[in-house]
Amino acid sequence: EDQVTQSPEALRLQEGESSSLNCSYTVSGLRGLFWYRQDPGKGPEFLFTLYSAGEEKEKERLKATLTKKESFLHITAPKPEDSATYLCAVDNYGGATNKLIFGTGTLLAVQP
Amino acid sequence: DAGITQSPRHKVTETGTPVTLRCHQTENHRYMYWYRQDPGHGLRLIHYSYGVKDTDKGEVSDGYSVSRSKTEDFLLTLESATSSQTSVYFCAIRDRGFGAGANVLTFGAGSRLTVL
Repeated sequence: EDQVTQSPEALRLQEGESSSLNCSYTVSGLRGLFWYRQDPGKGPEFLFTLYSAGEEKEKERLKATLTKKESFLHITAPKPEDSATYLCAVDNYGGATNKLIFGTGTLLAVQP
Repeated sequence: DAGITQSPRHKVTETGTPVTLRCHQTENHRYMYWYRQDPGHGLRLIHYSYGVKDTDKGEVSDGYSVSRSKTEDFLLTLESATSSQTSVYFCAIRDRGFGAGANVLTFGAGSRLTVL
């Protein structure tokens, strides 16, 4: 069964304290892995797409990496405005119309 | 929210009443989706559409129906609402173009539904 698991469920950091969020997946054939950010009361906002093991993408303090079994979202020197829920989703070759499988997210709180 | 609007944003209704949520897009994207988001479950696909009058079921479609008579509008209907359908509902659109934004879902702001 295709599955996406995110850890930890919640993470509290001090401003400037770098850390990583994990997304492990089990799919029949990975077509793409997506990271989204979701603020309270809003819809998910797209951050990155990764397609193959070894690929990396960066945006400001965020860096996403991909292996054959998991993806990491590295947050370097976070600021309070990085506080949000981060969602991971995968698209597999079994789904003809991009029916993404979402993880349950990591709730990140960055304290000043 | 980048050309995608959901209405209503908030609704409280009673068990057994019909409810329709509307998703409107101005991007002319072919694909539209309805998800529900619940604590501990993440986002789960209810129904999706791959063109006008072309729809299919997702993983949690029981109790829901959809219609798409125009490219820009995708309606989600709960024929007889139940308390288990209390949730936040998100519409999403997707463009199957090429380049950095290809196959990326763009979400609306959500509709919070409470069934008493």
